[in-house]
Amino acid sequence: AQRVTQPEKLLSVFKGAPVELKCNYSYSGSPELFWYVQYSRQRLQLLLRHISRESIKGFTADLNKGETSFHLKKPFAQEEDSAMYYCALNNDYKLSFGAGTTVTVRA
Amino acid sequence: NAGVTQTPKFQVLKTGQSMTLQCAQDMNHEYMSWYRQDPGMGLRLIHYSVGAGITDQGEVPNGYNVSRSTTEDFPLRLLSAAPSQTSVYFCASSLDRGLNTEAFFGQGTRLTVV
Repeated sequence: AQRVTQPEKLLSVFKGAPVELKCNYSYSGSPELFWYVQYSRQRLQLLLRHISRESIKGFTADLNKGETSFHLKKPFAQEEDSAMYYCALNNDYKLSFGAGTTVTVRA
Repeated sequence: NAGVTQTPKFQVLKTGQSMTLQCAQDMNHEYMSWYRQDPGMGLRLIHYSVGAGITDQGEVPNGYNVSRSTTEDFPLRLLSAAPSQTSVYFCASSLDRGLNTEAFFGQGTRLTVV
């Protein structure tokens, strides 16, 4: 069965420091992976998807099939990055979410 | 363009009461779903629909009913509310089953069952 694991519930970093959110998955097929973000008082929204290989708001995520990971990284965290981040796996329309990581960026 | 709209935003129910959470989207999306968000558990899929007239169960369907009579609307019914259903509920929609299709979420309904 598909599963998404985000081992860190809370992550606190200083502004300007690098930040990495871990995501591991289990899936028998070729995975479709996403990162979603929920800022305070805003709705959950897509941050990036692995197939796009894009950088959004300075964040990147690389799919590592050997390690079954899709970690989210940003070299220099900003205060506006404080939010809840969810890693998600698409299984035929059905998204499986990790438990989420709350990121706090301190000045 | 409103996207995905959920009503109400907040609701308090007594144990045993029933109610319907409303969800509507104006993007002509085929796929709609309901999730509940609980601390430490992320979002869990309750029910989903791949088109009008078609619904199916997700991971945690017990105690909930859905129907999809139109493309736009996907209401979630709580049959007999229980304290375990206290949660934040999110409705989402996506265009189709294309590769890596983005899901669009409503703003959520915070439900408390006392």
